[in-house]
Amino acid sequence: DARVTQTPRDKVTEMGQEVTMRCQPILGHNTVFWYRQTMKQGLELLAYFRNRAPLDDSGMPKDRFSAEMPDATLATLKIQPSEPRDSAVYFCASGLGLLYNEQFFGPGTRLTVL
Amino acid sequence: AQSVTQPDIHITVSEGASLELRCNYSYGATPYLFWYVQSPGQGLQLLLKYFSGDTLVQGIKGFEAEFKRSQSSFNLRKPSVHWSDAAEYFCAVGSAGSARQLTFGSGTQLTVLP
Repeated sequence: DARVTQTPRDKVTEMGQEVTMRCQPILGHNTVFWYRQTMKQGLELLAYFRNRAPLDDSGMPKDRFSAEMPDATLATLKIQPSEPRDSAVYFCASGLGLLYNEQFFGPGTRLTVL
Repeated sequence: AQSVTQPDIHITVSEGASLELRCNYSYGATPYLFWYVQSPGQGLQLLLKYFSGDTLVQGIKGFEAEFKRSQSSFNLRKPSVHWSDAAEYFCAVGSAGSARQLTFGSGTQLTVLP
């Protein structure tokens, strides 16, 4: 049963610390998305990759957030330095990048910044 | 730009009752439409999707949705709700452009009474 995996599932850190979240997309999927979910804003698209190349990261605060795909099996989202307002659940999703747009979501990383 | 409106923030139904969750979209061309469900502490799971063809689509867990172009709607229905259906439901529209992004609605929280 192919699924998207994310680590860690929960992360508690102090303000100013670096946070790295990892995602393993479904094997064979060539598109990867990072979302942030909060009660206030709902689901927000942060960044989007196709074939490991970043296509859109306009939803991401550039000064502190960075997203990369070192290889086809790993996507990372890094926050440095972290702030309390970054507390949220971060989801990774992957897809085939075809016309149908279907995305498969991971279980999320719950980030709490104290 | 595409957008999705879910007018009901919270719906409460009794177990065994029928359910309809509303979704209205705005998109210039033929939309690609999705319904996702999110159980507490979980990622989003695809319930069903519409790309073309028959306007009534069947999904998992006994859900169905009907695409009505004239009303720009894609409402989700279930004839008899089970307690395990309590969750948050998201409608989404996909773009046919190069971005291949999904735009999500704000979600509808479903409570099921025994």
